[in-house]
Amino acid sequence: GAGVSQSPSNKVTEKGKDVELRCDPISGHTALYWYRQSLGQGLEFLIYFQGNSAPDKSGLPSDRFSAERTGGSVSTLTIQRTQQEDSAVYLCASSQGWGRDTEAFFGQGTRLTVV
Amino acid sequence: AQSVSQHNHHVILSEAASLELGCNYSYGGTVNLFWYVQYPGQHLQLLLKYFSGDPLVKGIKGFEAEFIKSKFSFNLRKPSVQWSDTAEYFCAVRNYNNNDMRFGAGTRLTVKP
Repeated sequence: GAGVSQSPSNKVTEKGKDVELRCDPISGHTALYWYRQSLGQGLEFLIYFQGNSAPDKSGLPSDRFSAERTGGSVSTLTIQRTQQEDSAVYLCASSQGWGRDTEAFFGQGTRLTVV
Repeated sequence: AQSVSQHNHHVILSEAASLELGCNYSYGGTVNLFWYVQYPGQHLQLLLKYFSGDPLVKGIKGFEAEFIKSKFSFNLRKPSVQWSDTAEYFCAVRNYNNNDMRFGAGTRLTVKP
């Protein structure tokens, strides 16, 4: 597709369950970012991938959160043993590589509700 | 990693008032700078961007921003706001050399008709 695609668009899960959120970046984009937007909060950085370099995981809030990017393309954000405070909109973005002027393009987000 | 500060959490203005939202960042190297807007119930949209050249950049809907390198600032301005500008505004800074991109906490703008 032409844009960043995220799935599912909405996810309701029970507390304690694991969830996987998927992001399909724009083809050819080497950078991929995950952010979280909680109600009334700003955009919280979670993790970003740049090409084959080790991802910057410094924003992941706990060890229940992990992310991978397979083949330099699709990324999956996994939240294990979900808690109610994990409820938020999870946003994915992608951009071209470093060393050039580029903007990030955002997906529509996955709204996660933990009940 | 760079940090981004937006000083105003909530700004309330009347229509036709002038707007300036502050944004400062911490990284001293080459950066790309952005302002995004999120209207109520909608998704993030790019408002304007600075890559290089003229430090005064113009975006959509009459918004502009000025990059002042010596102050590490990229403030957003609009001479006369409208009720339809009610939204949340996010400043973002991208490290040109490693692609790391961070956002400020956002500023909620409420414009009273």
